[in-house]
Amino acid sequence: DAGVIQSPRHEVTEMGQEVTLRCKPISGHDYLFWYRQTMMRGLELLIYFNNNVPIDDSGMPEDRFSAKMPNASFSTLKIQPSEPRDSAVYFCASRGTGGNEQFFGPGTRLTVL
Amino acid sequence: GENVEQHPSTLSVQEGDSAVIKCTYSDSASNYFPWYKQELGKGPQLIIDIRSNVGEKKDQRIAVTLNKTAKHFSLHITETQPEDSAVYFCAARGFGNEKLTFGTGTRLTIIP
Repeated sequence: DAGVIQSPRHEVTEMGQEVTLRCKPISGHDYLFWYRQTMMRGLELLIYFNNNVPIDDSGMPEDRFSAKMPNASFSTLKIQPSEPRDSAVYFCASRGTGGNEQFFGPGTRLTVL
Repeated sequence: GENVEQHPSTLSVQEGDSAVIKCTYSDSASNYFPWYKQELGKGPQLIIDIRSNVGEKKDQRIAVTLNKTAKHFSLHITETQPEDSAVYFCAARGFGNEKLTFGTGTRLTIIP
């Protein structure tokens, strides 16, 4: 298996633009997590899905952030409009039922100018 | 909610020596404690984990200990090697909860 796949790996955009981050979880995994990593706040959970259904979105910072999982093999995290303080590395992770390990993707480094 | 504190933030050890990283958690209901290693430009990767019904777990040069009473757990790396240089994160998860709360990370540098 190729592991968790994220795209793009790097994104540079201007303030006010819409940004869409993409994630393909490991096949057969039914949990999907979106994290944000910054120097100031560390690694924080934004939202997670189980069987494509959002379960806990309490970590989503504000209404500018939204996440979807239209099917078991694809999820998006959208920021609209983006702001410089959204600059961070965003990770997607997946996990299978019955297991504990979350498998992380390589991350998307977002820079908002 | 859960709060996880991790110390030290940076650690340098001579190659071949041991390294110890410590974490404390606040929620006594937490029952799963993983440790992740993150190399530059990569996502975190699980290296070892422990459940609350176990006091210690070993995997070759890596061990984790858990003290439920004191609500702290530690990562021990023996015979350190240059490839152990990375950022290490502890985390905690509560019973019936999928959410992992991470510590702030320890940057470990192995000095050749």
